[in-house]
Amino acid sequence: AQRVTQPEKLLSVFKGAPVELKCNYSYSGSPELFWYVQYSRQRLQLLLRHISRESIKGFTADLNKGETSFHLKKPFAQEEDSAMYYCALGPGGTSYGKLTFGQGTILTVHP
Amino acid sequence: ETGVTQTPRHLVMGMTNKKSLKCEQHLGHNAMYWYKQSAKKPLELMFVYSLEERVENNSVPSRFSPECPNSSHLFLHLHTLQPEDSALYLCASSRGTILAGELFFGEGSRLTVL
Repeated sequence: AQRVTQPEKLLSVFKGAPVELKCNYSYSGSPELFWYVQYSRQRLQLLLRHISRESIKGFTADLNKGETSFHLKKPFAQEEDSAMYYCALGPGGTSYGKLTFGQGTILTVHP
Repeated sequence: ETGVTQTPRHLVMGMTNKKSLKCEQHLGHNAMYWYKQSAKKPLELMFVYSLEERVENNSVPSRFSPECPNSSHLFLHLHTLQPEDSALYLCASSRGTILAGELFFGEGSRLTVL
């Protein structure tokens, strides 16, 4: 069965500090991993996906198959990064967007 | 209007009512989805439609009935719901089967069942 665990419901950091949002997954095949973000009063939107290996808004995430993790990192947090972050897993291939989401982590960046 | 639009944004209904949620996407996508977001629970996939054909039904009770008349519109018909069905219902779309994990979400319909 697919499962995504985000152990931190709340995470607070100060502006300029590094931030890491943890995500662990359980899946027997080759998964696709994603981070979605929801800013205040905005809709849920894709932040990044592991296959793209890109940095979006200074965030990066590396898929670690050995540790079954896909942690989201940013070296210097900004106040505008405050949002709800969801890690999501897709079964890969023709998955039709059948994503399994984690519980989400609320990130607050203090000035 | 661009993106994914959901109506109504808020709905209050009794357990004996029949109502429908509507979703419309203006992105030219081939796949559409209903997700349910309950308090203290992760987003749960309910239904998937690809090219107007249902490809997934995640063991959803029959009191929820989806309808996809074309690739741009998706409905969720509701009848004899229970109070525990109160939740935020999110519609999403994607380009189709390839790289389908990039979902474009609507703002959601907040449902309260009395």
